[in-house]
Amino acid sequence: EVQLVESGGGLIQPGGSLRLSCAASGFIVSSNYMSWVRQAPGKGLEWVSFIYSGGTTYYADSVKGRFTISRDNSKNTLYLQMNSLRAEDTAIYHCARVHSSPTFYFDYWGQGTLVTVSS
Amino acid sequence: DIVMTQSPDSLAVSLGERATINCKSSQSVLYSSNNKNYLAWYQQKPGQPPKLLIYWASTRESGVPDRFSGSGSGTDFTLSISSLQAEDVAVYYCQQYYSTLPVTFGQGTKVEVK
Repeated sequence: EVQLVESGGGLIQPGGSLRLSCAASGFIVSSNYMSWVRQAPGKGLEWVSFIYSGGTTYYADSVKGRFTISRDNSKNTLYLQMNSLRAEDTAIYHCARVHSSPTFYFDYWGQGTLVTVSS
Repeated sequence: DIVMTQSPDSLAVSLGERATINCKSSQSVLYSSNNKNYLAWYQQKPGQPPKLLIYWASTRESGVPDRFSGSGSGTDFTLSISSLQAEDVAVYYCQQYYSTLPVTFGQGTKVEVK
């Protein structure tokens, strides 16, 4: 059974850093395209970042230069390093598996972890 | 970026009645080489992550009840729930994956029971 479990969220001051984790089971993270998608409280879905199976990474303009997606193949875990956090980064962060390239819809989602950026 | 616009923002439907949600893209998401529409629909219940319902605009994901159907092509798409059940109360999102950087979602449509 495919499962994605995020952790690492919390309350952080503006300008601070946080690293989110997404532990996967039931499939191999490094063999798939993975993504982070966020959802501001009471709002819609916003794509944040991709990491392709070959390791290529992409970011939304809103987080480029501040966020870094990565993975640890030995732990089958996806990460999102978030630096220089802003109030507008407050959201639930979901990790999600891309169905397959080039069909970039998301077939499995984690429950999400809440990041609150506030002083 | 391709902008996805859903309508209405919310709707209330009686149990057993039909619910219809529209999604319009700012440019066509039909890929001419394979004649496929790069459009997916998701259901998100309160406190839960989104769940994939439909991809390629009209293909139901495994396990999704057949009361859910998707239609449309090019820039105009529809998600229909043929006979609304209480468990269908949720927010529904469309997503285009024709342009992957970025993929974009509609703003969501909240479905409630009248």
